[in-house]
Amino acid sequence: DTAVSQTPKYLVTQMGNDKSIKCEQNLGHDTMYWYKQDSKKFLKIMFSYNNKELIINETVPNRFSPKSPDKAHLNLHINSLELGDSAVYFCASSQEWSQGRAYEQYFGPGTRLTVT
Amino acid sequence: GQQVMQIPQYQHVQEGEDFTTYCNSSTTLSNIQWYKQRPGGHPVFLIQLVKSGEVKKQKRLTFQFGEAKKNSSLHITATQTTDVGTYFCAGPPSGTYKYIFGTGTRLKVLA
Repeated sequence: DTAVSQTPKYLVTQMGNDKSIKCEQNLGHDTMYWYKQDSKKFLKIMFSYNNKELIINETVPNRFSPKSPDKAHLNLHINSLELGDSAVYFCASSQEWSQGRAYEQYFGPGTRLTVT
Repeated sequence: GQQVMQIPQYQHVQEGEDFTTYCNSSTTLSNIQWYKQRPGGHPVFLIQLVKSGEVKKQKRLTFQFGEAKKNSSLHITATQTTDVGTYFCAGPPSGTYKYIFGTGTRLKVLA
């Protein structure tokens, strides 16, 4: 069974369209993340949810809206797609930080988004 | 802003040679994690270091966390072709929960 899954794996779309990426984890983790990896392989955190509550919201355009219907799911909706949104988007999950202790993140396989 | 730089950006080695990547943060980190991403793959957790000056080993891999908790290193002894990939360090600035990933070091191993 895949621990963190994402759909779709590939997404090719035109500028101005709206698209969603779905993420599910079956690890029982409380915290989920969205990362963006650009063409230079830089990984940057976009959002983090803990128990369905948004705890990290980086300086991401408000065209990007995460939604967490439950602890096991974190979806990413993108409005009015732009060329610069082309990247690989990774979902990840981890146990909740506890008494100052952090835990490893488990990454999904990624969604390669190409905006034309 | 907070930055985590890694050097070198790229490294090509002959199989059997050693390899080291260095991770430097502009701020103190509460812990450091290392990840490996194979070409076309996703980051996979390798290890976490928490204490100042901590050193951990995993077979041919040695990880170190600096005394000031602002830098770290990963050393691979006698590289193998299976070590190919991009190695990332990541850590949250003290007092935050936000992991900042390093710029990554892409390793190629020539057989």
